[in-house]
Amino acid sequence: DQQVKQNSPSLSVQEGRISILNCDYTNSMFDYFLWYKKYPAEGPTFLISISSIKDKNEDGRFTVFLNKSAKHLSLHIVPSQPGDSAVYFCAAPYGGSQGNLIFGKGTKLSVKP
Amino acid sequence: DTGVSQDPRHKITKRGQNVTFRCDPISEHNRLYWYRQTLGQGPEFLTYFQNEAQLEKSRLLSDRFSAERPKGSFSTLEIQRTEQGDSAMYLCASSQGAGKVDGYTFGSGTRLTVV
Repeated sequence: DQQVKQNSPSLSVQEGRISILNCDYTNSMFDYFLWYKKYPAEGPTFLISISSIKDKNEDGRFTVFLNKSAKHLSLHIVPSQPGDSAVYFCAAPYGGSQGNLIFGKGTKLSVKP
Repeated sequence: DTGVSQDPRHKITKRGQNVTFRCDPISEHNRLYWYRQTLGQGPEFLTYFQNEAQLEKSRLLSDRFSAERPKGSFSTLEIQRTEQGDSAMYLCASSQGAGKVDGYTFGSGTRLTVV
């Protein structure tokens, strides 16, 4: 059972435009969510998180929106830059001790100059 | 501190051999995690430690896998009698507490190829 789903394996955007990466989840008990970025041959790098008590969190060019009723979150990158080209994962902690992050399968973002 | 270090970066081994990977977390982080990532998938949780105590293990962690974190510092992940299905990227991460605000810091991983 895929509790965190990223249904778009890839996304291509023009430099300077907005990138919107989507994530759906099934477990209403998740109390916060995280986004990670991964370049080839490197480990994932933490980008931004959001608590389930909020509907928006912003950090520079990155904004995450959470719609709890739809069990949906999205990451907006504005403006997109070629260096943003990477695989983006959303994740949520699972389990009583919350040591287990469940990741989606990722969306590969390509930002074209 | 240079972040989370993993050694080796790459390992090629023959089926049936044992392998051991090492992870050095960020020194002030009390939690250490092991994940596995295969092609086209997100990282999958294997196990995690709080200090030296192993608090949670995934069902993915068969009895051929063992992880240790002596003295709550570095950690090792051993795979005995490797199988071709063990070929994957093994990622280590660390955090101070649950990592709700700052997330986990991942290392660059160890890529295992079983031939």
